[in-house]
Amino acid sequence: SAVISQKPSRDICQRGTSLTIQCQVDSQVTMMFWYRQQPGQSLTLIATANQGSEATYESGFVIDKFPISRPNLTFSTLTVSNMSPEDSSIYLCSVVAGHGYTFGSGTRLTVV
Amino acid sequence: GNSVTQMEGPVTLSEEAFLTINCTYTATGYPSLFWYVQYPGEGLQLLLKATKADDKGSNKGFEATYRKETTSFHLEKGSVQVSDSAVYFCALSSIISGNTPLVFGKGTRLSVIA
Repeated sequence: SAVISQKPSRDICQRGTSLTIQCQVDSQVTMMFWYRQQPGQSLTLIATANQGSEATYESGFVIDKFPISRPNLTFSTLTVSNMSPEDSSIYLCSVVAGHGYTFGSGTRLTVV
Repeated sequence: GNSVTQMEGPVTLSEEAFLTINCTYTATGYPSLFWYVQYPGEGLQLLLKATKADDKGSNKGFEATYRKETTSFHLEKGSVQVSDSAVYFCALSSIISGNTPLVFGKGTRLSVIA
């Protein structure tokens, strides 16, 4: 199965600023998925990123707030823009490789 | 659309007790079903999976059987340990094609006390 390197693992950010999260996969994958896990909650899909096209966002998530880049088949970034305390969550990327889904280790974001 | 319903937690058990965490799903077609575990402060790990009806996934003493007739995938373990304390997520995928994300249940927190 694929291995994902996700950075940063955690950050504390000031409100109004932006944070870019990176995911690097050790193999080429078609789609990358970005999730948010709010404190004590389940994982909610933010968007699906396909190489060479704009990401597809789920209801309640917009590109201006969560811009995504997917420059090649092994890499993607998610930016959390103009952050507020409500954005404090764990953000995870995921891919399908082999016979299952692999997740990055997550980025624990705290907005103060 | 696809959805997963898990029993509400938290669940607190004594060591060596029997564990059941219920999971039912709604999906079109024949989804693949998964259980993921998240230990305190760690990322998501695949615990087990089943890709077709009547398949049984098993790992680390946990098992779950894909029941199409009851649209269920309940997680069981015969004798839990303190080290099993974690949050357990049931999830489904309509197709493992590389193009379909997982849909997760709300998660069930398990605490095992010695």
